[in-house]
Amino acid sequence: KNQVEQSPQSLIILEGKNCTLQCNYTVSPFSNLRWYKQDTGRGPVSLTIMTFSENTKSNGRYTATLDADTKQSSLHITASQLSDSASYICVVSDRGSTLGRLYFGRGTQLTVWP
Amino acid sequence: EADIYQTPRYLVIGTGKKITLECSQTMGHDKMYWYQQDPGMELHLIHYSYGVNSTEKGDLSSESTVSRIRTEHFPLTLESARPSHTSQYLCASSDRAPKGHTEAFFGQGTRLTVV
Repeated sequence: KNQVEQSPQSLIILEGKNCTLQCNYTVSPFSNLRWYKQDTGRGPVSLTIMTFSENTKSNGRYTATLDADTKQSSLHITASQLSDSASYICVVSDRGSTLGRLYFGRGTQLTVWP
Repeated sequence: EADIYQTPRYLVIGTGKKITLECSQTMGHDKMYWYQQDPGMELHLIHYSYGVNSTEKGDLSSESTVSRIRTEHFPLTLESARPSHTSQYLCASSDRAPKGHTEAFFGQGTRLTVV
């Protein structure tokens, strides 16, 4: 069964600190993996997207890594800001269908305190 | 900034009423999707479309229906709303980005409450 598991479910950190969010998946055949940021009551916004051959990708203070062998990804946030408080969703796409089906994790709820 | 819009953003409606959630995109994308998301839970695909006059049901069974008469519009309709339909509904569209990446863009969502 194609699944995407994220950990931790929620995380509280102080402003300025770093944190790392984890994503494990069983989606096969794998196409790509994305990390989205979803503010409360809004739609998800893409942060990074990586294919099988990409190990790391950065977007400002966000750095995503991918290990396609172990089917694990992480999202590292450096020097956190209050505006980073949001849900971070790992989304994996398969290439076994024309839809390019998206499989969503439940997200990690990050709260940054001043 | 993605050009995909949903209206209304918030809707509170009585049981038994018919409602239509609007979704429009100006990017010319062929693929469009509707997802349902309960608080703290993952997104579930309820409908998708590959293009005009193409609609399919998604993974999560839904009493809603959709239509795709024009490329840019993908409205979702509930003929008779019930409290169990209370949820957030997210519309998305996608097309192939460079290097074969399929990029999906989401609307802001519609928060539906049926009382």
